[in-house]
Amino acid sequence: EAQVTQNPRYLITVTGKKLTVTCSQNMNHEYMSWYRQDPGLGLRQIYYSMNVEVTDKGDVPEGYKVSRKEKRNFPLILESPSPNQTSLYFCASSLFASVYEQYFGPGTRLTVT
Amino acid sequence: AQKVTQAQTEISVVEKEDVTLDCVYETRDTTYYLFWYKQPPSGELVFLIRRNSFDEQNEISGRYSWNFQKSTSSFNFTITASQVVDSAVYFCALRRSYNTDKLIFGTGTRLQVFP
Repeated sequence: EAQVTQNPRYLITVTGKKLTVTCSQNMNHEYMSWYRQDPGLGLRQIYYSMNVEVTDKGDVPEGYKVSRKEKRNFPLILESPSPNQTSLYFCASSLFASVYEQYFGPGTRLTVT
Repeated sequence: AQKVTQAQTEISVVEKEDVTLDCVYETRDTTYYLFWYKQPPSGELVFLIRRNSFDEQNEISGRYSWNFQKSTSSFNFTITASQVVDSAVYFCALRRSYNTDKLIFGTGTRLQVFP
């Protein structure tokens, strides 16, 4: 089944404790992105990647890191999480830019205390 | 600058009513793509439709229809004879035509359909 998977689905952590949210897609998509969803703000892009070893900042990259060492995986790293990073995070992938729709993972709800 | 505005924060209707969700976008690009996604209470994002800027034909898919008007920069979504299962948050989004993975979302409209 074609899908985007994220792990964990739920995470409660403390300020400053490094964490990684994994994202994997099995559709051989070149493009992958991370978004955060906050009430009243919709979804905002954090980082995106157009291919292996090619990443770029989205609208809200501060406090996040990403890497794209393999085509299928695009982990999101929070090196020192803070409470303002409490949010619902989505990973997405698409075949190529622009034309094709993005397929979204199920979401990761992160709480930083 | 690119921007998507969904002015309706929340809409409540009774089942079988028709409802239209508004989406207004801003872009200086001549080629771009517009999308609608549905987010049901379970939280996942479900793709509904993609429309490119050169195709102004309205589209109908079952009870769903979309009205794209470049003259007013709008891409409105109508649900005919709404059902309780239509209750969700609906997002309109804009994507530029050149080599980018950036999808700009509106803030969403929460639709509640009551039996």
